[in-house]
Amino acid sequence: AQTVTQSQPEMSVQEAETVTLSCTYDTSESDYYLFWYKQPPSRQMILVIRQEAYKQQNATENRFSVNFQKAAKSFSLKISDSQLGDAAMYFCAYRSLGNQFYFGTGTSLTVIP
Amino acid sequence: DVKVTQSSRYLVKRTGEKVFLECVQDMDHENMFWYRQDPGLGLRLIYFSYDVKMKEKGDIPEGYSVSREKKERFSLILESASTNQTSMYLCASSRPGQGYPGELFFGEGSRLTVL
Repeated sequence: AQTVTQSQPEMSVQEAETVTLSCTYDTSESDYYLFWYKQPPSRQMILVIRQEAYKQQNATENRFSVNFQKAAKSFSLKISDSQLGDAAMYFCAYRSLGNQFYFGTGTSLTVIP
Repeated sequence: DVKVTQSSRYLVKRTGEKVFLECVQDMDHENMFWYRQDPGLGLRLIYFSYDVKMKEKGDIPEGYSVSREKKERFSLILESASTNQTSMYLCASSRPGQGYPGELFFGEGSRLTVL
């Protein structure tokens, strides 16, 4: 089975600064999808950004971007110009072609005013 | 807006009680999932369903069962609740991904406390 590892249980960032959350995964598949989800204190999980493994170009959504390194099986999330509303738990997720999802254990991000 | 709705945000039950957690989605998604979320453990899959009346065990199915009689509704059942089932339960749905990311859409979660 695929595994997803988030090695940073907690991170903090000053408001307006940049922070990078790490994620690595293990798979033998060549085609798959990767996601970052955000879970604010209100608890509903929402999608932040997605990446198709067959695409070389790193995905970007406004202040959120990823550094996808397929050979290294690494998928980090960069948050630029951090805002107080970015404070949340962030989960990295892998979706196999068989529609199975695998999640990391999460990184709790604190934004310091 | 697409929506996944879980019937109860907070529940308190006693050991041995039967517990029903309901989830409804309005996106006509084929796939539905029940996850359990515990601090430090991330999300663990309990059961999932690819179609009406279909169900598959996830990683931690023991002590749980599910029902999917209609496409939009997926219920999680704790036949006899135990204190170690105190947790946050998340329902999610997705469209099968065929050349499509098929991301999960989540409900708000149901926080269950078993006394």
